[in-house]
Parts: sequence; structure tokens; C-alpha cells
Amino acid sequence: DIQMTQSPSTLSASVGDRVTITCRASQSISSWLAWYQQKPGKAPKLLIYKASSLESGVPSRFSGSGSGTEFTLTISSLQPDDFATYYCQQYNSYTWTFGQGTKVEIK
Amino acid sequence: QVQLVESGGGVVQPGRSLRLSCAASGFTFSSYGMHWVRQAPGKGLEWVAVIWYDGSNKYYADSVKGRFTISRDNSKNTLYLQMNSLRAEDTAVYYCASDQGRWWGQGTLVTVSS
Repeated sequence: DIQMTQSPSTLSASVGDRVTITCRASQSISSWLAWYQQKPGKAPKLLIYKASSLESGVPSRFSGSGSGTEFTLTISSLQPDDFATYYCQQYNSYTWTFGQGTKVEIK
Repeated sequence: QVQLVESGGGVVQPGRSLRLSCAASGFTFSSYGMHWVRQAPGKGLEWVAVIWYDGSNKYYADSVKGRFTISRDNSKNTLYLQMNSLRAEDTAVYYCASDQGRWWGQGTLVTVSS
């Protein structure tokens, strides 16, 4: 099974900061990686698919990069609405695997 | 617009069964693989199962294999999750999601407790 490791687990930042979250796969997943944002009591929301493609309607301050086993999600200028938990997810195989999540908190 | 609406959650005793449903609308349901994903209270996301667009293939997480069954009725635009031999550790919000993760339901809470 493919394992996904996210870092950091928690991130404290201020509005306007540039934020980067890293995700590592236990084996190559090519570019079959997605990023989600989840707020308390809500379903996950797709932000990025295929490692770097921005989902329709998602602000351009979100970007993704990487391939193989190393991936990053970057928020170029953190906004108040961005304080949430972020998950990476691989879909290289028939099954999905999620990272453990990164909670972005207000500093 | 696209909607996925889960139902069937509730409180159930350990060892009992429950069937979840996910009603889809706003997209061609029969063209998409569908997944169940769960989230235990205060925890991260855990993938549970997937079914091919035509029901021809199904895959499960090891944690539910042999106890849960995913199915679909394309004539009713509905996805199901039959959960048997439920355990306390199955307590979670269960989400249905379309393949590629574009669309998710609001989730239904399953609590396994005596």
C-alpha cells in the first residue's frame, strides 16, 4: 500500500504569509496527487488535482507542485478564509490514501 | 448543480449492521466511479471503498474488508455501503465522493456504541 506523509502537522501563520505544506509518497505516484481543504463540520473541498492543476473556482493563491514522491502545496498570501486543515491524497492506484493532515492556525 | 446526499447514519450497537445511501444528482452518475471515505471524530480522512462506474470492480480498505460491501444502483443514481459486524472503531462521519474527488456529500454520522 502507498503511504502518504505530510509535514508539518500544524502550522501557525499570519494573514499575508506565504505557506508551504509538503507531502511525501512511499513510492512514485507520478502526478496522481490531489490537495483538499477541510473546515470543521464540512466535507473536504478539492483544491488541486494532478499535482498542479487548479480546480475550477479555487483562488489562484493556491498552487501545487511536484511529481514522483515529493509534492508541495503553496498558499502565496494567506487569507482569513484559508485557516483550515489541508490533506494530500494519492490516487495512483485504484484506492486512495490520504496524508494525516496539516492544520493551518492563526499565529 | 451537483448534489451528493448521504443518509442512513445513526447509533448502532457493536456487532450490528447499518446501510448507508448516497443519492446523486446533477451529473451523469453512471459514468463515475464512486468512493466512501470516513473520518473518525477529531481524526483525519480514511478511504473506505471504491466501486467502478458500472459496478464491475470494487476495492476495500483492509480495515473494513469482509465486513463492508459497496454497491450502486445506476437506475436510481444511488450508492450504498452495507456495514456489517460494526465495531466501536467504525464510529465516524461517512462521506461519499465522486472519482477524482471533485464532488463530496455532506456526510452522515455513524456511532457504534452499546
